[in-house]
Amino acid sequence: DSGVTQTPKHLITATGQRVTLRCSPRSGDLSVYWYQQSLDQGLQFLIQYYNGEERAKGNILERFSAQQFPDLHSELNLSSLELGDSALYFCASSARVANTGELFFGEGSRLTVL
Amino acid sequence: AQSVTQLGSHVSVSEGALVLLRCNYSSSVPPYLFWYVQYPNQGLQLLLKYTTGATLVKGINGFEAEFKKSETSFHLTKPSAHMSDAAEYFCAVSDRTTDKLIFGTGTRLQVFP
Repeated sequence: DSGVTQTPKHLITATGQRVTLRCSPRSGDLSVYWYQQSLDQGLQFLIQYYNGEERAKGNILERFSAQQFPDLHSELNLSSLELGDSALYFCASSARVANTGELFFGEGSRLTVL
Repeated sequence: AQSVTQLGSHVSVSEGALVLLRCNYSSSVPPYLFWYVQYPNQGLQLLLKYTTGATLVKGINGFEAEFKKSETSFHLTKPSAHMSDAAEYFCAVSDRTTDKLIFGTGTRLQVFP
């Protein structure tokens, strides 16, 4: 158990819909990262927050947004969903700002868009 | 920009055989390098990492990797494979100025009895 909690574990929805994925980092970790894992794209970095502020941005679509709340949990919002958004979305956390250490990953949220 | 190339999307070995998973990186600055493992239906967990110091790094479950700057490589090895090693392995790089890990495409390791 990494200590990172993601909900929901599975989500099935239709094209055009909007979903929210939730992540609770390990106790004490200030950084939260979101990754998308799909068969064709591999593991893609989406976005990172540190103590409530956006820290780094990767290949995140404009239809996607994220935030980190004062209690340090984070949400990833995916809107106007397309079939290609079907993937496993991972949240990870770490204590440091700079990525010189270990990331602790949740078990992921599997999104299926029909 | 940093990048990672993992040679071989699938590797199959017999139980007890040597495991060698290849990773080459590209980085304009001295990199931090990582190997992560993903078991079925689980998140990724860190196997080992290189930041500074000794270039031969030992990790969990008997795995080790050697940072070779001249070859820009960070190959993962284990002398004797076990059935429980069957998983997907990801090499990752992080530079010293940004906060993100860039992952390779992964190598799925199969271990046959």
